[in-house]
Amino acid sequence: QVQLVQSGAEVTKPGASVKVSCKASGYTFTDYCMHWVRRSPGQGFEWMGWINPNSGGTNYAQKFQGRVTMTRDTSISTAYMELSSLRSDDTAVYYCAKGGLGQSLNWFHPWGQGTLVTVS
Amino acid sequence: DIQMTQSPSTLSASVGDRVTITCRASQNINSWLAWYQQKPGKAPKVLIYKASSLESGVPSRFSGSGSGTDFTLTINSLQPDDFATYYCQQYIAYSLTFGGGTKVEIK
Repeated sequence: QVQLVQSGAEVTKPGASVKVSCKASGYTFTDYCMHWVRRSPGQGFEWMGWINPNSGGTNYAQKFQGRVTMTRDTSISTAYMELSSLRSDDTAVYYCAKGGLGQSLNWFHPWGQGTLVTVS
Repeated sequence: DIQMTQSPSTLSASVGDRVTITCRASQNINSWLAWYQQKPGKAPKVLIYKASSLESGVPSRFSGSGSGTDFTLTINSLQPDDFATYYCQQYIAYSLTFGGGTKVEIK
C-alpha cells in the first residue's frame, strides 16, 4: 500500500535549521508531487510547497520563500524539507503528503505520520 | 490567497445523529475541494475530493456537496469512530489553503 514514513521528532534552537525526511513506498515516487504542510496551534494547517521528484522542480509558498528548501533522493524514494532561521513560531508538526500526477493541483493522499519540530 | 472558513468550530453530537459541517471559500473554487478527518496524534485522512467524490474505503455515511463558494460535509448516523476534527481544503490555486477545522465532540 502507499505509505509515507517521516523522520523522528526534533528539538532545536532559534536560528538553527531542521531537515525532515519522508520515505515513500508503494508507488512510483517520481510520478507524483510531494507536498509539505505544517500544523501549528496558532496557524492551523499551512501549505509550505511542493517538489516534483522527477525534475527536482519546486514551488514554495511565499511565506516560506528564502527559508525553505525541498530536495529529493530518487534512489531511495525520499523527499526532504529543510527550514532555516528557525523561530519559536515554527514549532509545529510537519507533514509530507502525496499530491497529484506531475505538477497537477490535487488533494493530498496519503499523508506522512508527521514530525514534531520544537524550537526552544 | 483564498480564505476557507468552516463552521461551526465545535459541534456536540450523539451517536446516530446526522451532522453537517459547512465550508465557505472567499472566491469561486468550482468543485476543487477536499474534506479530511484528523484524530489526535494521527495524520489527516482524505474523505471526500472534488467536493462530492467519496475516497475509496471511506464509509458511505460520509457525503459532500456544493460548488462555487459554499460546501457541506454530512455524516449520516454518526458512529463512535467519527468523533474527530474535520478540515476542508481548496486546491484550485496556490497557495493551497485549509479551513480552521470543526471538532465533532460527544454530546
